[in-house]
Amino acid sequence: KAGVTQTPRYLIKTRGQQVTLSCSPISGHRSVSWYQQTPGQGLQFLFEYFSETQRNKGNFPGRFSGRQFSNSRSEMNVSTLELGDSALYLCASSPGSTNEKLFFGSGTQLSVL
Amino acid sequence: DQQVKQNSPSLSVQEGRISILNCDYTNSMFDYFLWYKKYPAEGPTFLISISSIKDKNEDGRFTVFLNKSAKHLSLHIVPSQPGDSAVYFCAASEGSGGSNYKLTFGKGTLLTVNP
Repeated sequence: KAGVTQTPRYLIKTRGQQVTLSCSPISGHRSVSWYQQTPGQGLQFLFEYFSETQRNKGNFPGRFSGRQFSNSRSEMNVSTLELGDSALYLCASSPGSTNEKLFFGSGTQLSVL
Repeated sequence: DQQVKQNSPSLSVQEGRISILNCDYTNSMFDYFLWYKKYPAEGPTFLISISSIKDKNEDGRFTVFLNKSAKHLSLHIVPSQPGDSAVYFCAASEGSGGSNYKLTFGKGTLLTVNP
């Protein structure tokens, strides 16, 4: 099986712009989660989607949003980028039941200048 | 408020010896715990997990111990190999059956295994 695929791998944006990141989960996985990794804060939960519905959301401002499509692919969007949004954004998928291990993609490295 | 803490940013051990990575948590609602390993430029990969109803789980060279009263868990790697050199993250989830579908991670411990 192919793993979790995230595109693009690297992204450079300027303050005030918006960005969309994409994630294709492992075939058959219906749950997609997004995490932000920064050197100071570690990995922090953004949100989780299952069957196109957001089931849980982390403590991030409304500038961070996401969605999931009927084929389980997911996108996350960050509007009005700030310097502090520079981070590695990781997508993870799982079949969707509780307490399952997550399978992570390699991430999108976002740099905001 | 950091609910999962890995107080050692780094650990260095000799090949063949035991590596012990520690993790403390503050949220008593956590009922499922996981360890992930991360190499540079890659996403974290799952290593081993443990439910709060157990106090030990083994998988090959990896063993996780859970002490609920102390809110502490540890990962033992025996014997350590150079390929184990990576950042190790402790993670936890809460809710009945992990029903909040969210993992809370520690900040990681960089393990270096010297040949």
